[in-house]
Amino acid sequence: ETGVTQSPTHLIKTRGQQVTLRCSSQSGHNTVSWYQQALGQGPQFIFQYYREEENGRGNFPPRFSGLQFPNYSSELNVNALELDDSALYLCAAKRGGAYQETQYFGPGTRLLVL
Amino acid sequence: AQTVTQSQPEMSVQEAETVTLSCTYDTSESDYYLFWYKQPPSRQMILVIRQEAYKQQNATENRFSVNFQKAAKSFSLKISDSQLGDAAMYFCAYNRGDSNYQLIWGAGTKLIIKP
Repeated sequence: ETGVTQSPTHLIKTRGQQVTLRCSSQSGHNTVSWYQQALGQGPQFIFQYYREEENGRGNFPPRFSGLQFPNYSSELNVNALELDDSALYLCAAKRGGAYQETQYFGPGTRLLVL
Repeated sequence: AQTVTQSQPEMSVQEAETVTLSCTYDTSESDYYLFWYKQPPSRQMILVIRQEAYKQQNATENRFSVNFQKAAKSFSLKISDSQLGDAAMYFCAYNRGDSNYQLIWGAGTKLIIKP
C-alpha cells in the first residue's frame, strides 16, 4: 500500500462533458503530480502542485486544470472532453522540499470518453 | 528535451532465471535521477529501484540491480531469480533532480515469467 488513493476507479463520459478525478494521500505529502497514461504507453506529466500552487506543467491544454487542498487531497478537472482523453490517470504524492523522496502512486482512474 | 527509450516492448524469462531490461535516455543535465517502476495488472506504479546520477555505484535492491552507464546514457535493470510475481509492465523513468519532480517515462517493457 502506498497511502495514495484515487476515485473513482472507472468512469465513462461522453465527448464535450466535464470530469473531476480525485486523489488523496497521507499527511505530509504536500507535493502531488498528475499523469495521463494512454493504453500501451508510458505516463505523460500533466502538472504538479506544491502547497496548493501549480508549480510545473507538461504539454497539456488549459482545459486540464487542478486543485490541491490543505488536507493533501487533490483534484484533476478536464473540460470539454475529447475522445483522446481516454486514458488511465495517475496521481503521485511525495513530501516536497527534498527531491530524493520517493513518489507514491495511486491505483489510477480509468476514463473512457465516448 | 529529455527523452527515455525502452527498445524492448516485451521480454520473457523462465522462472528462477535472470533477465535484463534495457533503457537509454538523453539529457544534457549532469545531475539527475533514474528509476525503474513496475506496473502490475492492478495498475499501481511501484518503485523498484532508483539511481542517482552522481553515484558511480550501481543501485541494488534484493533481486533487482541496475547497470548504470552514465557516459553511454544507459540504465538497464537486471532481475535475478525471476518469480511469477515479477510479471508486469516495467517502466524506466528520468527526473531532472531539481524542484520539478516531473518524471519522463519510457514506453515500457512487458515482462512475462514462464513457469
